[in-house]
Amino acid sequence: KAGVTQTPRYLIKTRGQQVTLSCSPISGHRSVSWYQQTPGQGLQFLFEYFSETQRNKGNFPGRFSGRQFSNSRSEMNVSTLELGDSALYLCASSLGGTGNGYTFGSGTRLTVV
Amino acid sequence: AQKITQTQPGMFVQEKEAVTLDCTYDTSDPSYGLFWYKQPSSGEMIFLIYQGSYDQQNATEGRYSLNFQKARKSANLVISASQLGDSAMYFCAMREDQGGSEKLVFGKGTKLTVNP
Repeated sequence: KAGVTQTPRYLIKTRGQQVTLSCSPISGHRSVSWYQQTPGQGLQFLFEYFSETQRNKGNFPGRFSGRQFSNSRSEMNVSTLELGDSALYLCASSLGGTGNGYTFGSGTRLTVV
Repeated sequence: AQKITQTQPGMFVQEKEAVTLDCTYDTSDPSYGLFWYKQPSSGEMIFLIYQGSYDQQNATEGRYSLNFQKARKSANLVISASQLGDSAMYFCAMREDQGGSEKLVFGKGTKLTVNP
């Protein structure tokens, strides 16, 4: 079966712009989580969506937002980009129940210049 | 809050030898899950192995095994018969339950280099 698909793979944006990243989970998976990976901070949890509802949010400013559609595809948006937002953004798909595993996509590498 | 510690920033191993990557964790929850992921330079996080806190036996998946010592709060990954393709970053992670939602808490990772 198809894995987790993230688009685009690479993105270059200018400070102050906004960006939207997309994640299509494994078919049947209703939970999508987003993580930011930087050399300095490592992997940090952004938020989790389940059945179109945000269930959990990490410690990130309000410039980071997301949503999930009825087909479980998820988007995350970052407004007013800052240089420090340059990172690899990973999404993980899961069935959503306790104890289920997580399958990650290949990530979107965002560079803010 | 839960915490994962990986004390080895980098490890080197000769091809065909075994290597152990260390992971210690801190949690007050009686029920938890521990994961190991491999991240090659392409960026994708590849699931390797999972250990539940109530599992009686250490998890194994092919060349990967998890040395789970609950009392010491350690969950070390053992890779047997290393291959050149094993060169990558390895992350230990713990599942944290937050009122019906879950998230993964990651360690800083260990960069493994397999030498021919």
